[in-house]
This record gives sequence, C-alpha cells and structure tokens, in this order.
Amino acid sequence: AQKVTQAQTEISVVEKEDVTLDCVYETRDTTYYLFWYKQPPSGELVFLIRRNSFDEQNEISGRYSWNFQKSTSSFNFTITASQVVDSAVYFCALSLTGANSKLTFGKGITLSVRP
Amino acid sequence: NAGVTQTPKFQVLKTGQSMTLQCAQDMNHNSMYWYRQDPGMGLRLIYYSASEGTTDKGEVPNGYNVSRLNKREFSLRLESAAPSQTSVYFCASSPRTTALRANVLTFGAGSRLTVL
Repeated sequence: AQKVTQAQTEISVVEKEDVTLDCVYETRDTTYYLFWYKQPPSGELVFLIRRNSFDEQNEISGRYSWNFQKSTSSFNFTITASQVVDSAVYFCALSLTGANSKLTFGKGITLSVRP
Repeated sequence: NAGVTQTPKFQVLKTGQSMTLQCAQDMNHNSMYWYRQDPGMGLRLIYYSASEGTTDKGEVPNGYNVSRLNKREFSLRLESAAPSQTSVYFCASSPRTTALRANVLTFGAGSRLTVL
C-alpha cells in the first residue's frame, strides 16, 4: 500500500519569506507518480505538478520549485518570496503508474501568508 | 470547457435519508473518482471507476454506492445517511494511463453535505 506523510499541518509566514512544504512517501513499487495540488480558500483543487519516479531532476516554475529525492523518499515544495495569494492548503499525493492506479493523498498543509 | 461538474453544491439531510451526488465530465476521461475531505484527514478515496462499466472500492467505501452510468457520468449514492458522512465530497476524473497527463486528476468544485 502507498502512504503519503505531510508532517507539517500548519505554517504561517510573512509575505516575501521563502517556505518549504515537506512530503515523504512510502511505496514498494519502483515506478510511480508524485503530485502536488493546491486548495485555495475558495475550495477548488488545483493541479500544480506531476513528477515521474525515474525523473529526479528538480523543477522550477516561477516562484515554485520542487525537490525530488528518491534516497529519502521525499518530494518537497518550496515557494520563494511568498505572497498572500499563496495562502492555501497544499496536498502531496502518490499514485502507481499502471492501470487502475489511484491517487493517495497526504493530509495537507495549511499555509498562511501574512501581509 | 466545463471540466467536471458536480451537483448539488450544498445539501442538508436528516439521518436515514438517502441522496445521490451527481458528477459529469466532458473531457473524455476514462477514470473517475469520488473522494471525501474532512478536517485534518486530507482527501480519502471512496470509490473509483477505471473505465466505463467497472467500479472499485477505495479507502472508505462503507455506506456508499456508486454507478458509472456511461463514460461521462459517475454518481455517488448514500442509501441511509449518517452524521459521520457529513463532509465535502469531490468528484474527479483522469485520462487513460497512456495519456500525456496520465493520473492527473481534474476535480469538480465539491459538494458540501451535512447530515443532521
């Protein structure tokens, strides 16, 4: 079975600070996908990134960056120069790559960015 | 594009009443899912359907039934609602596993259900 742990439950930062959201996963399979989703106060779930298990390159998209390390089973998410609009619940998730695969989510991290 | 549409957005039920949450997607996705979201629990999978005509239990299926009516529609039924089923329910869909965006879920806006 797959498991995703987001040990941080709530983080509060002041605008323009950098913040890292941690994600640790467990799976016995060698091929899998890792994801991050954002849920702003409006409630919808927004896809941010999908990473394949054989691609350990870090990715940067604007102020967002992701650090994938298979050696520590972690897929951490960093927001640089945080903004109030980054306030949301962030979910990390894992799925296998075969047919009938479904996403297993962590419990989420509530990020509050104060002006 | 509408994406994933769920109805109703809000519903209040009394214990023992039944209801059906409707979900439809217009992206020609193969797989569809029902999750529930509770405070501090994240998103937990109730049922999913990998393709038209198939359904499988997820992590928390007790008290629910589903129907994959066709490729577009996947409904979730509560036969006898209980207060423990008070939650926000999300429907989602994803394309076939060989697609470029395989396993990337597109979610509906959510349905907030309160059982008194």
